[in-house]
Amino acid sequence: AQSVTQPDIHITVSEGASLELRCNYSYGATPYLFWYVQSPGQGLQLLLKYFSGDTLVQGIKGFEAEFKRSQSSFNLRKPSVHWSDAAEYFCAVGVLSNFGNEKLTFGTGTRLTIIP
Amino acid sequence: DTGVSQNPRHKITKRGQNVTFRCDPISEHNRLYWYRQTLGQGPEFLTYFQNEAQLEKSRLLSDRFSAERPKGSFSTLEIQRTEQGDSAMYLCASLEQGTNLMNTEAFFGQGTRLTVV
Repeated sequence: AQSVTQPDIHITVSEGASLELRCNYSYGATPYLFWYVQSPGQGLQLLLKYFSGDTLVQGIKGFEAEFKRSQSSFNLRKPSVHWSDAAEYFCAVGVLSNFGNEKLTFGTGTRLTIIP
Repeated sequence: DTGVSQNPRHKITKRGQNVTFRCDPISEHNRLYWYRQTLGQGPEFLTYFQNEAQLEKSRLLSDRFSAERPKGSFSTLEIQRTEQGDSAMYLCASLEQGTNLMNTEAFFGQGTRLTVV
């Protein structure tokens, strides 16, 4: 069965500093990988996704992620964080079920705090 | 269209009571998902509809849970005889017909936070 591991429960970063959030997945086939952000009181918003091709994926809000098959990783990065980036970040793998349905399996999330 | 709408946003209920949540997906999105998110966890898949047909249910969806999408538009999720372990955020997402996660995205609502006391 597929699974996603986000080893960092909580990360604190200074505003303007760089950020890297870790994500490791386990899936037997070629994975479809996603990063979502959830701000307090808000729904999940898609930051970026990877299916194939270039392993460095650009997303919204200045985020990027790199797929590394050898490490089963899909880490999220941002060169300079803003106070508005404070939120919960979820990595997910997309799976095609036996019912022809695509569903997402999420990690447990990483809470990002930004300090001045 | 303002996106996926969920009501109520918050619900507090006593153990043993029944509750019902509603999800209005984006217009013309025929695919609809329910997820549950407990504290400190990521969302977990509960069930999936294509139009009015419920095509897949997770093992997490016990017999106290029932979901419907009677006309292929809005959906309801009912929990009967609520238990404290049902306390969670219930999220709804919709996806456009004829698309998949490769060429589009699933749009999530803000969720309904259920507290069972």
